[in-house]
Amino acid sequence: RKEVEQDPGPFNVPEGATVAFNCTYSNSASQSFFWYRQDCRKEPKLLMSVYSSGNEDGRFTAQLNRASQYISLLIRDSKLSDSATYLCVVNMGGGSYIPTFGRGTSLIVHP
Amino acid sequence: GAVVSQHPSRVICKSGTSVKIECRSLDFQATTMFWYRQFPKQSLMLMATSNEGSKATYEQGVEKDKFLINHASLTLSTLTVTSAHPEDSSFYICSPFQSGSDTQYFGPGTRLTVL
Repeated sequence: RKEVEQDPGPFNVPEGATVAFNCTYSNSASQSFFWYRQDCRKEPKLLMSVYSSGNEDGRFTAQLNRASQYISLLIRDSKLSDSATYLCVVNMGGGSYIPTFGRGTSLIVHP
Repeated sequence: GAVVSQHPSRVICKSGTSVKIECRSLDFQATTMFWYRQFPKQSLMLMATSNEGSKATYEQGVEKDKFLINHASLTLSTLTVTSAHPEDSSFYICSPFQSGSDTQYFGPGTRLTVL
């Protein structure tokens, strides 16, 4: 089993749709969690951190389920500009930062 | 977010030559530097992790004598691809990290094409 798993997609949705991605992780001692966005031929950029209580940033909502060891990202009212690959990152370090990346989920938002 | 520069952004070279990629963290001190490689339509692959002033730790399958990493200061790290071959053609991305932080930033990447 891979340490961090994501459905690669692609998720093909119309503008305005709501779409959700899940990411599962294997290490129950993982400390922190993040969603990054990567556009084609560009570097990843931090989208949001994922907090235990869940957090929201505009149309984006991230949640953490420690019991089931997964994090999720919900995008409401999808825009064409949301088309990208979304990377799940799990810090598996104890006292240090040891990031493990998922393979990414591709989202395509069409008119 | 933090400012990270990477140079060059694109390089095309002949097989057998060496290519040096520089990564600078412009507004914070990078105690740790991650170097990644990404082939087309594939995920990021961690190549090595280096801490300032120490030797880099390489991931399994990454040749340390081929991919030389220097992290001599808290704001600069370099990756040298020695005797590059076409199979080394890839997108190389640095990612500096500051101890005590929980956020990882990325350089804009270097697209290497070896002919």
